[in-house]
Amino acid sequence: AQSVAQPEDQVNVAEGNPLTVKCTYSVSGNPYLFWYVQYPNRGLQFLLKYITGDNLVKGSYGFEAEFNKSQTSFHLKKPSALVSDSALYFCAVRVNQGGKLIFGQGTELSVKP
Amino acid sequence: DAMVIQNPRYQVTQFGKPVTLSCSQTLNHNVMYWYQQKSSQAPKLLFHYYDKDFNNEADTPDNFQSRRPNTSFCFLDIRSPGLGDAAMYLCATSRARNNQPQHFGDGTRLSIL
Repeated sequence: AQSVAQPEDQVNVAEGNPLTVKCTYSVSGNPYLFWYVQYPNRGLQFLLKYITGDNLVKGSYGFEAEFNKSQTSFHLKKPSALVSDSALYFCAVRVNQGGKLIFGQGTELSVKP
Repeated sequence: DAMVIQNPRYQVTQFGKPVTLSCSQTLNHNVMYWYQQKSSQAPKLLFHYYDKDFNNEADTPDNFQSRRPNTSFCFLDIRSPGLGDAAMYLCATSRARNNQPQHFGDGTRLSIL
C-alpha cells in the first residue's frame, strides 16, 4: 500500500537556525514527491516537488528538499528559519497510476524569536 | 492572477439542511478535486473530476455529491449535513499529468448548528 509518513507531529526551531521537517514514503513505482505549507484558515500552498533528476530540489521561500531513494525519504530543509515559517507542513506523494495525492499526517513547525 | 476561488469562506447551516459549496478556477486545469480537512489533519480526498469524468473515493459518504457544469466551476453538495460534516472543505485543481502540483483554494469552513 502507498503511504507517506511524517514522524514528527511538531518541530520547534529558534529563528535563524536551520530547520528540517522529515518525510518518508512507501510506494510502488516512481514517486512524484511534493511539499505543501498551510497557514491557519488558508488552503495548501505548493512549495516544491521532486520528479526526476537532481536529488536536491529548491522551492519557494528559501526551502529545499533532498530526495534519497535508498532511504525513501524527502526531507524539507531551510538554512535559516524565520518566525513567519511557522505553519503546518504536508509531504505528499503521487504515483504513476491515477494521479491521486497521498498526504502525510502533517508537521506543525514553530519558529520562536 | 490565475487562481482557485472558493465561496463562501465560512458557511453555517443547520443539521440536515442541504448546503452547496462552490469553487471556480482561472487556471484552465483539467482536474478539479474536493477535499475534507478536519482540525489540522491531512486533507481527505472526497472525489475529483478529470474533465467531465467523475471519480468518487470508495469511502466518501453518499451524502456528498458534486457537479462540474464546465471547466471553470465545481460544486460540492452535502444533502443532509450531520454534525460530523463540520470541517474545512478544500478545492484544488491540477493539469492532467502526475508531475504537476495541485493548486488549492483557501477553503470553506463549514459549521453545522
